[in-house]
Amino acid sequence: ETGVTQTPRHLVMGMTNKKSLKCEQHLGHNAMYWYKQSAKKPLELMFVYNFKEQTENNSVPSRFSPECPNSSHLFLHLHTLQPEDSALYLCASSQGDPFGTDTQYFGPGTRLTVL
Amino acid sequence: AQSVTQLDSQVPVFEEAPVELRCNYSSSVSVYLFWYVQYPNQGLQLLLKYLSGSTLVESINGFEAEFNKSQTSFHLRKPSVHISDTAEYFCAVSAGGTSYGKLTFGQGTILTVHP
Repeated sequence: ETGVTQTPRHLVMGMTNKKSLKCEQHLGHNAMYWYKQSAKKPLELMFVYNFKEQTENNSVPSRFSPECPNSSHLFLHLHTLQPEDSALYLCASSQGDPFGTDTQYFGPGTRLTVL
Repeated sequence: AQSVTQLDSQVPVFEEAPVELRCNYSSSVSVYLFWYVQYPNQGLQLLLKYLSGSTLVESINGFEAEFNKSQTSFHLRKPSVHISDTAEYFCAVSAGGTSYGKLTFGQGTILTVHP
């Protein structure tokens, strides 16, 4: 596998379910990101991890819980979601330049539908 | 805080015609500017970026963008488009400083190239 992979690619869940999204990067990067992409809205940055430490939580509801066990893996744990949480969830990684010049490499996304 | 405005949500053009996708930003500090492209069912990938130096930056597939500080713009242009350029294009800004890769995205412009 190369680049950034995400599993599953599609997920349908009920409002009472618990599920997890997985992201893996094979690029040797030190920073990883979760974004939410909804129709007709700009990409929303959710979380940023640098060297496994969370450096950004963009006021995300607690029903989304990130986990970064190492620099190559990032999870997004989901519980008691709402229908408005239905969206494409994108993972990205980058070298981890603190000054913001990095190129971010994106995975293909997980299409989440909450019923 | 930064913001990005992409002035056109959809741009239809015919093959081999020129195209311009407009992007304006606002920021109280110096910024770095990016264009990302998203092909159907894929994640985003970097098209080009401006960090410093020459205000005209080019991509390998014929796109170019010019940083205009006085007009706070970073418009994307291509003199002759192909069917394969059909995609959604996102302008993004990074604030530099210690932003740790925090990108602010515009709402995206869907470019559709017709034969």
